[in-house]
Amino acid sequence: GAVVSQHPSRVICKSGTSVKIECRSLDFQATTMFWYRQFPKKSLMLMATSNEGSKATYEQGVEKDKFLINHASLTLSTLTVTSAHPEDSSFYICSAGTSGSTGTDTQYFGPGTRLTVL
Amino acid sequence: GDSVTQMEGPVTLSEEAFLTINCTYTATGYPSLFWYVQYPGEGLQLLLKATKADDKGSNKGFEATYRKETTSFHLEKGSVQVSDSAVYFCALSDQDGANSKLTFGKGITLSVRP
Repeated sequence: GAVVSQHPSRVICKSGTSVKIECRSLDFQATTMFWYRQFPKKSLMLMATSNEGSKATYEQGVEKDKFLINHASLTLSTLTVTSAHPEDSSFYICSAGTSGSTGTDTQYFGPGTRLTVL
Repeated sequence: GDSVTQMEGPVTLSEEAFLTINCTYTATGYPSLFWYVQYPGEGLQLLLKATKADDKGSNKGFEATYRKETTSFHLEKGSVQVSDSAVYFCALSDQDGANSKLTFGKGITLSVRP
């Protein structure tokens, strides 16, 4: 099946620094990628929808200047957490959509990135 | 807005027990409904889906039926295995497409003991 990778899988940074997380679709092209945030014992919360070649669409309450999203190609989207603070510590997950061989559309999820801000 | 409510967890069962995980939703229109599974250390995987009322999604022995009258999509399996231990998420989308955003429930952890 289709594979989505994320890098890094874990990152620890100091407060005030910026962190970039990559999301790649390894064997398919994804016009649209999604970025989610998962809190402990909470659901996944959609942060933004990333479209190749255009600006991302952010969900209400998500600061677009803090969470910069770049969808530079059909296989790569990046999320940059700028001036990170401890409250940004979380598990960030991306997904990418594709049309299957049987015509069934589905989203494939990356394994997630654990961000810890000290 | 759209929302998904799952039963509170965690759930612990013995191997070969019957499993039911409840899921109800609130949405305008006719959403598509999904169950995703997250095994330890892995990303979410689509388990099954249903796109219209009375459809039944099934995979790996799991089943769920889209019930419009009760706005539910309960997950069932007749005989669970230790390998089914994972976190299960119910989700909905306003379209049946790879490019549509998903609204997730909180997830429930299932532990199956030998």
